[in-house]
Amino acid sequence: GQQLNQSPQSMFIQEGEDVSMNCTSSSIFNTWLWYKQDPGEGPVLLIALYKAGELTSNGRLTAQFGITRKDSFLNISASIPSDVGIYFCAHMNYGGSQGNLIFGKGTKLSVKP
Amino acid sequence: NAGVTQTPKFQVLKTGQSMTLQCAQDMNHNSMYWYRQDPGMGLRLIYYSASEGTTDKGEVPNGYNVSRLNKREFSLRLESAAPSQTSVYFCASNPGGGGLYGYTFGSGTRLTVV
Repeated sequence: GQQLNQSPQSMFIQEGEDVSMNCTSSSIFNTWLWYKQDPGEGPVLLIALYKAGELTSNGRLTAQFGITRKDSFLNISASIPSDVGIYFCAHMNYGGSQGNLIFGKGTKLSVKP
Repeated sequence: NAGVTQTPKFQVLKTGQSMTLQCAQDMNHNSMYWYRQDPGMGLRLIYYSASEGTTDKGEVPNGYNVSRLNKREFSLRLESAAPSQTSVYFCASNPGGGGLYGYTFGSGTRLTVV
């Protein structure tokens, strides 16, 4: 099946630091989605990307759709404590009668002690 | 507030017991989904319903059944719970037709099978 590989699996941040994470696949995709999950909640869509090379921002978040269509990057600038959570990349699977989301395993962001 | 409502929020079952997880959305969405989330595994699709009256298997359907009761409600049933089904279950909905922005998730049901 289609697998999304996210890295890093986890990272610790200090307030004010910039954060980078990425997602790769052996398959070519037409969409990349980035979601964030706060503790005890369901995922919430952050950014959606639809074409190779696309760079999209949402506040302090910036995501890029890789030129090869096999990867995507999410950057968070000047991190704040409320950025902690799990970040998932996802893509649409159009097999069958209806598209559904396939998720990566997530990058967990925590605050440095 | 409009959204996806899941009940119960927490549940403990003994092995072999059955239960139904409830999900309802009030956004008039056509498509609904059930995912499970395990540590380090991301979210994996169990079943989905593209529209009222249809259901299809996802990546990990074994041990589960679903019912799309009407447009609003999509339930997930465990007939004979097993410890391997200990997980957090999320219901989601979207307008359908590949609407990428419309995926709305509930806040989850935390199930423990002992």
